[in-house]
Amino acid sequence: DVKVTQSSRYLVKRTGEKVFLECVQDMDHENMFWYRQDPGLGLRLIYFSYDVKMKEKGDIPEGYSVSREKKERFSLILESASTNQTSMYLCASSPIQGSQETQYFGPGTRLLVL
Amino acid sequence: GQSLEQPSEVTAVEGAIVQINCTYQTSGFYGLSWYQQHDGGAPTFLSYNALDGLEETGRFSSFLSRSDSYGYLLLQELQMKDSASYFCAVRDGGSNYQLIWGAGTKLIIKP
Repeated sequence: DVKVTQSSRYLVKRTGEKVFLECVQDMDHENMFWYRQDPGLGLRLIYFSYDVKMKEKGDIPEGYSVSREKKERFSLILESASTNQTSMYLCASSPIQGSQETQYFGPGTRLLVL
Repeated sequence: GQSLEQPSEVTAVEGAIVQINCTYQTSGFYGLSWYQQHDGGAPTFLSYNALDGLEETGRFSSFLSRSDSYGYLLLQELQMKDSASYFCAVRDGGSNYQLIWGAGTKLIIKP
């Protein structure tokens, strides 16, 4: 069964802290994505990666960076957390062959920045 | 710009049929996907249409008209567990498997 896991379900951080969100998938998917989800705004893409060590900016990359050292793991880094980064963060993965239209999501991390 | 439009909220009665519409404006188009998300949960894939017409999967069907840049998700025999948000998404073909997402439609089901 397809599985995407995220390191934390809930996280509380202080303004200025460096925050790491980790995502692991066990499906050998090439593509991995980080989204944030805010009420009324749907899913907005922060970064995605289509291969190890490869990354591309999404729609809202400012204030974020990513790391993909291994195929199964994609990390999102908030260099200096700010209150406007309080949000739900969703990781997803998809293959590049076959059902590439389908993205498989992790359970999400609800981040509160105080 | 690229955008997907869907109603913010739809209300229906248990046992009824409901249709959630999605219109899109994108620079390219490979197909239209639908995802379901329950409160507090992760989005899960429901359906995908690349060609015009209706695709049926149990109580759920999805329709696409490429000429009208329009699609819909049809839910039949509504059950309370169908209360969720529904998102349409388009892969515009230009980039590396990115999806462009609608803002979501919250489906409220009344007994």
